[in-house]
Amino acid sequence: AQSVSQHNHHVILSEAASLELGCNYSYGGTVNLFWYVQYPGQHLQLLLKYFSGDPLVKGIKGFEAEFIKSKFSFNLRKPSVQWSDTAEYFCAVNEGSGNTGKLIFGQGTTLQVKP
Amino acid sequence: DTGVSQNPRHKITKRGQNVTFRCDPISEHNRLYWYRQTLGQGPEFLTYFQNEAQLEKSRLLSDRFSAERPKGSFSTLEIQRTEQGDSAMYLCASRIRGDTGNTIYFGEGSWLTVV
Repeated sequence: AQSVSQHNHHVILSEAASLELGCNYSYGGTVNLFWYVQYPGQHLQLLLKYFSGDPLVKGIKGFEAEFIKSKFSFNLRKPSVQWSDTAEYFCAVNEGSGNTGKLIFGQGTTLQVKP
Repeated sequence: DTGVSQNPRHKITKRGQNVTFRCDPISEHNRLYWYRQTLGQGPEFLTYFQNEAQLEKSRLLSDRFSAERPKGSFSTLEIQRTEQGDSAMYLCASRIRGDTGNTIYFGEGSWLTVV
């Protein structure tokens, strides 16, 4: 069965530090990959997604992620975090190669940015 | 607000009672999804609809759970004879069927506490 693994459960950074959150998935076929963010008290929002083409994907709020097929990874990065980036971050992959829209999520990473 | 709407936002119920959650997707979104999220975990897929047809149900969805989308618009998720293990946030999401690039939009969720 497909799975998504996020390596860091809780990350604490100071403002202006660089961020990289790890995400690995298990599926040998074509994948669509996503990073969602959940700010405190708010709903899940899409940060960025990869479907095909350039493996370096840019999203909102200065986030980017790189799809490395050989490593089954889709790590999220931001060069300089802000206090407002404090949130929970979820990596997700579509299930199977179809277009059902069903997502398999990782367990999430809580990011705390200290001012 | 034109996003995915869920209610009630919070529900506390006694074990053994039935509860029902409602989801209003973004208009014209013909795919609707239900997920469940427990503390410290990512969302887990429960079921999804295309218009009024329920196309798939997860094994997580026991016989006590039933979801409907009678007119292809709003959906309800009913849990009968609730158990403490049902305590979780129930998320609804919607998407336009079609291109793989379409985004899945999540609602703010309905928190269920079974006491």
